[in-house]
Amino acid sequence: GAGVSQSPSNKVTEKGKDVELRCDPISGHTALYWYRQSLGQGLEFLIYFQGNSAPDKSGLPSDRFSAERTGGSVSTLTIQRTQQEDSAVYLCASSFPSWASGGSYEQYFGPGTRLTVT
Amino acid sequence: RKEVEQDPGPFNVPEGATVAFNCTYSNSASQSFFWYRQDCRKEPKLLMSVYSSGNEDGRFTAQLNRASQYISLLIRDSKLSDSATYLCVVNNQAGTALIFGKGTTLSVSS
Repeated sequence: GAGVSQSPSNKVTEKGKDVELRCDPISGHTALYWYRQSLGQGLEFLIYFQGNSAPDKSGLPSDRFSAERTGGSVSTLTIQRTQQEDSAVYLCASSFPSWASGGSYEQYFGPGTRLTVT
Repeated sequence: RKEVEQDPGPFNVPEGATVAFNCTYSNSASQSFFWYRQDCRKEPKLLMSVYSSGNEDGRFTAQLNRASQYISLLIRDSKLSDSATYLCVVNNQAGTALIFGKGTTLSVSS
């Protein structure tokens, strides 16, 4: 079946410009996550959406970062006034919702968007 | 203490070798544990979940020690295709995110 898709696959932008990254999760997965991975670094959690609940934005690095999820499916991550340190691969993942007891299902990742800020 | 710590390696082994990766995590409330594999410039992909009783999938065996907050992955009879970065993953206390270690790099040579 179709996996998580992301667009664009690559984005080069000038410092100070805004960018929008898109994620289309696996059908039926109500949980959606954004991460970023800088060169040679681990994955950094950014934001989590689950159904109609308020998103967990605790990982967003600054108020230049925002994300929304419309209709419980597609999500858009927006970075305003991009800086060079924003250059990274932005990964989206989806999964079934977390358990009420605090457990988690495995997440399935999209191919990522490689963002380069010049 | 970092949330998830792994030896970064690299581990360089010949084909057929057995190799073990270790991982420690700091949050005793974590309930879900995984090993993911990430190939160069690719997205992470689930290798296997880790269960309290330990579990095996072909040449791969995962162990969890909750008391020590320690997770391991054993790869037997290494193949060239096993060359990748292996990520130790635990969920956060709220169950809203997975916390990834920085990964251990494995290189299998002929």
